[in-house]
Amino acid sequence: EVQLVESGGGLVQPGRSLRLSCTASGFAFGDYAMSWFRQAPGKGLEWVGFIRSKAYGGTTEYAASVKGRFTVSRDDSKSIAYLQMNSLKTEDTAVYYCTKEGCSGGRCYSNCWGQGTLVTVSS
Amino acid sequence: DIVMTQSPDSLAVSLGERATINCKSSQSVLNSSNNKNYLAWYQQKPGQPPKLLIYWASTRESGVPDRFSGGGSGTDFTLTISSLQAEDVAVYYCQQYYATPYTFGQGTKLEIK
Repeated sequence: EVQLVESGGGLVQPGRSLRLSCTASGFAFGDYAMSWFRQAPGKGLEWVGFIRSKAYGGTTEYAASVKGRFTVSRDDSKSIAYLQMNSLKTEDTAVYYCTKEGCSGGRCYSNCWGQGTLVTVSS
Repeated sequence: DIVMTQSPDSLAVSLGERATINCKSSQSVLNSSNNKNYLAWYQQKPGQPPKLLIYWASTRESGVPDRFSGGGSGTDFTLTISSLQAEDVAVYYCQQYYATPYTFGQGTKLEIK
């Protein structure tokens, strides 16, 4: 069974940092691109960024709202994707979802979603 | 950025009846090199993550009931539920993955009439 489990969320003050982890199982993690999305309370879905598989260079792309502050990375030996979030703002408050894309090189649908982890940015 | 607009914002349909949700993109999401529309539909129930229903505009994800179907091409797309069941109550989102940033429609809340 394909499974994604996010961890690392919590309450953090504005300007501080937080790192989210996404532990994957049930599929060949290294073969797929991985994405992060977020959903503010009562709002719609927003793409945050993704990382391609190593076969496609392991390169990353980001939404403009997080570019320069957030970094997506991956450890294929541990089947974990990370979202490093720096200089957090109150508007970053959301449930963050890790997803497996259906392709290796990005530009793809997300066919498996984690349960999400809540990040609250507040003083 | 590609803007995705869904209609209606909410929809109430009787059990067993057809439900249709529309999605329009501000530019074409059809890749002429492979003739694929980079459009997906997701279902989100309260307190749960989104679930993929349809990708490439019309390919049903494994395990999704065949009452769900997707259609359209270019800039205009539809999600149809042929016979509404109680468990289909949810918010439905379309998403384009033709270009980054990936973008979603605002969501359509589907309820039972």
